[in-house]
Amino acid sequence: RKEVEQDPGPFNVPEGATVAFNCTYSNSASQSFFWYRQDCRKEPKLLMSVYSSGNEDGRFTAQLNRASQYISLLIRDSKLSDSATYLCVVDGGFKTIFGAGTRLFVKA
Amino acid sequence: DAMVIQNPRYQVTQFGKPVTLSCSQTLNHNVMYWYQQKSSQAPKLLFHYYDKDFNNEADTPDNFQSRRPNTSFCFLDIRSPGLGDAAMYLCATSRDRGRDQPQHFGDGTRLSIL
Repeated sequence: RKEVEQDPGPFNVPEGATVAFNCTYSNSASQSFFWYRQDCRKEPKLLMSVYSSGNEDGRFTAQLNRASQYISLLIRDSKLSDSATYLCVVDGGFKTIFGAGTRLFVKA
Repeated sequence: DAMVIQNPRYQVTQFGKPVTLSCSQTLNHNVMYWYQQKSSQAPKLLFHYYDKDFNNEADTPDNFQSRRPNTSFCFLDIRSPGLGDAAMYLCATSRDRGRDQPQHFGDGTRLSIL
C-alpha cells in the first residue's frame, strides 16, 4: 500500500461546478497535511495547509479526518484557471510524502 | 521576487557525464530539499539538509550527492547520469522541520540525458 494515495483522475468538470478530492495516508503518526497545486511542467505551489478543525480559503475548503486517515479538498465554483494537478502532502515531521496527484480539467 | 531559484532551467548532459544542478534561496530557511519528479509521478525526496546536517533517503542511489556550502546554496551532483535519471529536479526549502512547515519550491531543472 502506498503511503499517500490519491485518485489520479482526471476529473473533467464544467465551470461553476463543485469538485472534491480525497487523499488517504497510511502513517497514523503523520503530523502535518497540505494541498499543493502543480501546473503542467511547473513546480508545486502551496495551496493550503490542512488543519484538524477544517479550514477554508475562498472557494477552497480542506478537511482532515484523523480517525479514517484521509484529507479532502473541496473546490466550489470551479474556474478554468483551476485546471491543474492537486497534490496531497503528508508530513511526519522528518519525512514528507507526496501523493501522485489528481488531475483536474475545468471546461467552459 | 523569486525566493527559491534553480539553475539552469534546462540541462542536457551526456550519458555518464557528471552534472551539477544549483539551488539558492533568499528566505533564510534552515531546511533545503532535493526532489526528483518524473512525468505523472509524485515528487520523490532524494535528500535534505537541516542546516549543515545531511539526511539521505534510504533508497536514493549513491550516484546522487549533495552539497550545502552555506545557508543560501545547495547543489545536486549526479556523478554518472543514466537514461533513467532524466527527470525534473525540484529544490524546496522550509523554515524548519516539524509541524506545519510548508515547503517552497523553485521552478525546477529539467534534465535530459543524451
